[in-house]
This record gives sequence, structure tokens and C-alpha cells, in this order.
Amino acid sequence: DVQMTQSPSSLSASVGDRVTITCRTSQSISTYLNWYQQKPGEAPKLLIFRASTLQTGVPSRFSGSGSGTDFTLTISSLQPEDFATYYCHQNYITPPVTFGGGTKVEIK
Amino acid sequence: EVQLVESGGGLVQPGGSLRLSCAASGSSFSWYWMSWVRQAPGKGLEWVANTNQDGSDRYYVDSVKGRFTISRDNAKNSLYLQMNSLTVEDTGLYYCAREGGYSYGSPLDSWGQGTLVSVSS
Repeated sequence: DVQMTQSPSSLSASVGDRVTITCRTSQSISTYLNWYQQKPGEAPKLLIFRASTLQTGVPSRFSGSGSGTDFTLTISSLQPEDFATYYCHQNYITPPVTFGGGTKVEIK
Repeated sequence: EVQLVESGGGLVQPGGSLRLSCAASGSSFSWYWMSWVRQAPGKGLEWVANTNQDGSDRYYVDSVKGRFTISRDNAKNSLYLQMNSLTVEDTGLYYCAREGGYSYGSPLDSWGQGTLVSVSS
């Protein structure tokens, strides 16, 4: 199974801050890494797929990078609506499909 | 854009069964792999099962193998999850999600709002 390790598990940041979340996989998955945002009481929402491709309608302050086993989600200037939990996900070396443990972004 | 609506959740005793359903809008349901993903209260996301376009391939997380069965009816634009021998560890919100149609590594690009399963005596 591909283990997905996200860090940090939580962070506190202010509006306007640059935020970086990392996801490390136990095996190389090329660029087949996806990122989701989940707000309380809502379903997850796809933000980025194939490590760096922005899903339609997602603001350009979100970006993704990485390949192999190390990936990064960056929010260039944190907005109030970005406070949420973020998950990485791989659907490349399966089964099983695997998710990271999540990173909760909270208001400082 | 596809809309996914789950139903069938509820309170069940340990050892009991439930059948979840996911109704998809639109005419392209049969083009896509579909997944079930669950989330225990206050916890992260866990993939449960998925199936290919015609339902002939089905995969499961180890913890549900032999107890859960994923299926689909493309004529009804519906996905199902039959859950037997339920345990308290199966408690959570169950999401239906569409896999994005790529040859490899498809993202989950559409999600329902989830249906809640509570296993308790």
C-alpha cells in the first residue's frame, strides 16, 4: 500500500499569509497526486490533480508541485474562505486508493 | 456537471446490514469509475471501494473485504454499497464520488453530500 504522510497535521495562519502543506508518499507515484479541500459540514472538493493542474474554478492562489514521493500544496495569500482541512490523495498504485491524514488550516 | 445524491444510511446494530445508494444525474454515469469514501466522526477520509464502468471490476479496502459489496446499475444511473456484518468501526459519513476519467490516477472530481451510517447497540 502507498502510505501518504501529510505535514503539518494542523497550522495556524493569518489572512494574507503564504501557506505550504506537504505530502510524502511511501512509493513513487510520478505526478499522480491530487489535493482536496474540505470545509466543516461539506463534502471534499477537488482543488488540484496531477500534482499541479488546477481544477476548473479554483482560484489561482492555489498551486501544487512535486513528483515522485514529495509534493506541495501552496496557498499564496490565505483568504478567509480558505480555512479548511486539506487532503492529498493517490489513485495510481491501487488498490487501495489512499489519502493523507489531512492538514487543518486554522485562523491565527 | 454531475450531481450525486446518497441515501440509505441510518442507525443499525452491530452485525446488521445496510444498503447505500447513490443517484447520479446526467447521461454520462456509465463512462466513469465510481468510488465510495467514508469519514469517521472527526477523522480523515478513507477510501472504501470502487468499481469500473460496467461493474465487472471491484476493489475494496482490506477492512471491508468479504463484508461490503459495491455494485452499479447504469440503466438507473445508480451506485450501491451493500454493507453486511457491520461493526462500530464502520460508523461514519459515506460519500459517493466519481473518478475523473483518466487512464491513470484519476482524481475524485465530483462528490455527493454523504449519508450517515451509525453502528451502535
